[in-house]
Amino acid sequence: DGGITQSPKYLFRKEGQNVTLSCEQNLNHDAMYWYRQDPGQGLRLIYYSQIVNDFQKGDIAEGYSVSREKKESFPLTVTSAQKNPTAFYLCASRPPSGGNQPQHFGDGTRLSIL
Amino acid sequence: AQTVTQSQPEMSVQEAETVTLSCTYDTSESDYYLFWYKQPPSRQMILVIRQEAYKQQNATENRFSVNFQKAAKSFSLKISDSQLGDAAMYFCAGGTSYGKLTFGQGTILTVHP
Repeated sequence: DGGITQSPKYLFRKEGQNVTLSCEQNLNHDAMYWYRQDPGQGLRLIYYSQIVNDFQKGDIAEGYSVSREKKESFPLTVTSAQKNPTAFYLCASRPPSGGNQPQHFGDGTRLSIL
Repeated sequence: AQTVTQSQPEMSVQEAETVTLSCTYDTSESDYYLFWYKQPPSRQMILVIRQEAYKQQNATENRFSVNFQKAAKSFSLKISDSQLGDAAMYFCAGGTSYGKLTFGQGTILTVHP
């Protein structure tokens, strides 16, 4: 079955450490997105990529970095510059044929500080 | 730029009754799309219904329907014959033709048996 796989499900970060969240999709979607969700809040866009080797900052990109070397993969690195990384992170992808196509979401990664 | 506002942090409904969740939006885009997503306790995001702004007819998906008032910039979700499985956080979201989504703050829906 096609879908989006996020790993790990839970991740812990030590002070000053970079950590990378994995997002893989086998839906053949061009566009991929990373969102952050804080408790009781909506989703906020971190980064997005419309095509391989290209990505743009979203609303809260500071302290995060991404790469898009393959169509299937869009990993997110939470750097030590992100001072409040504790949150739930969701990856999504979307088919290329127009804005009315809904985004498909992974099951998320919960990141906490040790 | 888009903003999406959900003014009801929490709503409750009796099983089999009808409930309406409110959402207002603002956008400078002429071509945009509106969505309702459901997030149950599992945290998975599930598409409930979508509406293209250029369509005047309100979207319907089984027990879920929207009331899209373009001039008022309102996009409410009506859930008919509410079921226990409808209990979740509901998010309204606005999207552009190139796919960026802006989400509201969410409404927690409780369904009482």
